Amino acid sequence: QSVVTQPPSVSGAPGQRVTISCTGSRSNIGAGYDVHWYQHLPGTAPKLLIYANTIRPSGVSDRFSGSKSGTSASLAITGLRADDEADYYCQSYDHSLGGSGVFGGGTRLTVL
Amino acid sequence: QLQLQESGPGLVKASETLSLTCTVSGGSITRGNFYWGWIRQPPGKGLEWIGSVYYTGSTDYNPSLKSRVTISVDTSRSQFSLRLSSVTATDTSIYYCARHIVPGYYFDYWGQGTLVTVSS
Repeated sequence: QSVVTQPPSVSGAPGQRVTISCTGSRSNIGAGYDVHWYQHLPGTAPKLLIYANTIRPSGVSDRFSGSKSGTSASLAITGLRADDEADYYCQSYDHSLGGSGVFGGGTRLTVL
Repeated sequence: QLQLQESGPGLVKASETLSLTCTVSGGSITRGNFYWGWIRQPPGKGLEWIGSVYYTGSTDYNPSLKSRVTISVDTSRSQFSLRLSSVTATDTSIYYCARHIVPGYYFDYWGQGTLVTVSS
């Protein structure tokens, strides 16, 4: 059981907007630690989509955006495309129990 | 373009030690505020950070695995390595190596991953 939680799945039709939530606590997201997001297609290397809550690395589409408030964060994907179908993970840092990088359990995005 | 590539045995017997190496190319392993990390993904489950190493040899481990993990670096070969002792079936996973940005605590370049199966 991860200390940061994500919905197991979300879905949307092509062209729509979807959001994926990442809920933490006062020992991780709520303590001010940054949230980062990754896209992962099985059999490939995970890809960094958003770092430091809102920043897109060079080459990442502006259809992807991140936000953070309190003990939660969200990833929004607009103009949904078939090739967005993948697993999405949030990641932060947790200072309890000695301190550790922590990943959410992952959310499978299905494009209908 | 920075590239990372994992290598090592795909099958390890229970109670033995898992050993993997990550080779870094297209960039220096000694440059900048970069740690070099290992992350794993058990079949059907999510990602778990194992630990990271700086080029000086300084390490940072996931407390839940710390008693069994050793991560080391060989700057002359641009490699860093993972050793996980006393493995069990629950250690069966895809193991990824990645560049670990500190501060910020995120992973910007990843290897393709290698499946390690623990047999009984």
